[in-house]
Amino acid sequence: DSGVTQTPKHLITATGQRVTLRCSPRSGDLSVYWYQQSLDQGLQFLIQYYNGEERAKGNILERFSAQQFPDLHSELNLSSLELGDSALYFCASSVDQRRETQYFGPGTRLLVL
Amino acid sequence: AQTVTQSQPEMSVQEAETVTLSCTYDTSESDYYLFWYKQPPSRQMILVIRQEAYKQQNATENRFSVNFQKAAKSFSLKISDSQLGDAAMYFCAYRSAWDTDKLIFGTGTRLQVFP
Repeated sequence: DSGVTQTPKHLITATGQRVTLRCSPRSGDLSVYWYQQSLDQGLQFLIQYYNGEERAKGNILERFSAQQFPDLHSELNLSSLELGDSALYFCASSVDQRRETQYFGPGTRLLVL
Repeated sequence: AQTVTQSQPEMSVQEAETVTLSCTYDTSESDYYLFWYKQPPSRQMILVIRQEAYKQQNATENRFSVNFQKAAKSFSLKISDSQLGDAAMYFCAYRSAWDTDKLIFGTGTRLQVFP
C-alpha cells in the first residue's frame, strides 16, 4: 500500500458525460501528479500540482481539468467523454517537486461506452 | 525531448533463475533519475528501484539490481532468484532533475515466471 488513495476504483459512463476522479496523496506529500494509461498511448503524464498550484502540464486534453484543494487532495475532471478516454487513470504523489520518488495510487479504471 | 525504450515486449524466466530486462533512454541532460516500476495484474504501480544519474554505484534492492551505463544510456534491471510473484509488467521511467517532474515511461516488458 503506497498510502495514495484514489476513488472510485471503477467508473462506467457514457459518451458525452462528465466524471470526477479523486486522489488523496500520502500524508505530508505536497505534489500530486496525474497519469493516463491506455492501450494505444501507454503511460502518459497529464498534469502536476504542487501545494495547490499547477506546476506542469503534459498531454492533457482541453476537455480535462484538475485542481488541488487546500487539504491537498486533488480531483481530475473529464468532460465530454469519448470512447478513447477509456483508460486507467493514476494519481501519484511526492514530498516536493524535486528529487523525490513518486508513489502511485491504485488507479481509477474508466470505461466510456 | 527525452525518450525511453524497452525493446523486449515479453520475457520469461524459470523460478529461482535470473533475468535481465533492458531499457535505453535518450537525453541531453547530465542529471536525471531512472526508475523501474512493477505493475502486477492488480494494475498497481509499485516502485522497484531508483537510480540517480550522478551516482556511479548501481542501485540494489534485495533481489533487484540495476546495471546503469550512463555513457551508453542504458539502464537494465536484473532480478535474481526469480519468484512467481515477480510476474508482472515492468516499466522503465526517466525523470529530469531540472525540468518538469513528470515521469517518462517506456512501453513496458511483460515478465512471465514459470515454476
